[in-house]
Amino acid sequence: DAGVIQSPRHEVTEMGQEVTLRCKPISGHNSLFWYRQTMMRGLELLIYFNNNVPIDDSGMPEDRFSAKMPNASFSTLKIQPSEPRDSAVYFCASSLGRFNSPLHFGNGTRLTVT
Amino acid sequence: LAKTTQPISMDSYEGQEVNITCSHNNIATNDYITWYQQFPSQGPRFIIQGYKTKVTNEVASLFIPADRKSSTLSLPRVSLSDTAVYYCLVGRLGGALTFGSGTRLQVQP
Repeated sequence: DAGVIQSPRHEVTEMGQEVTLRCKPISGHNSLFWYRQTMMRGLELLIYFNNNVPIDDSGMPEDRFSAKMPNASFSTLKIQPSEPRDSAVYFCASSLGRFNSPLHFGNGTRLTVT
Repeated sequence: LAKTTQPISMDSYEGQEVNITCSHNNIATNDYITWYQQFPSQGPRFIIQGYKTKVTNEVASLFIPADRKSSTLSLPRVSLSDTAVYYCLVGRLGGALTFGSGTRLQVQP
């Protein structure tokens, strides 16, 4: 199994630009999570999906952030417009969604907004 | 979600056993305890999970006392490659988990 695949690995953009981060979960996993990691705030849960349906988006910072999961094998996290304070490593994780199934993380996308 | 408290950092030497304790006084009846490991530039990696007593796998052991208000991750005979950040999480697995600050373990030669 290839694990959770995220793209791109690195993204550098200018303030005001739209940024789209992509995630392919592990096949067969029905829960998908987006986390953000910074030195100041650590790992923060942004949103998670179960069976492609958003369950909890209370961690999404503001309306500039949006996430979609059009099918079981793909999810996007979009920031529009981006700001320097959005600079962070964004992780996607997936799990079987069962009571005792652990999260499997991708290697993240390092976003730098200048 | 139950809040967890763990040491910010720990130092050890190769070949030693390392025990990292996590406090979770408000753990709920249905909550499991899970530990993750994170290396620089990588996502967290699942190490071990448990509900009560002791759990052991090929990587680590997890000790949970009867009151479940704390847990201890035990890494036997650490090596330099065990240098990482270790996170203790408490919650219902399969759902959202909140990561704390983690414990930064530095293993010296």
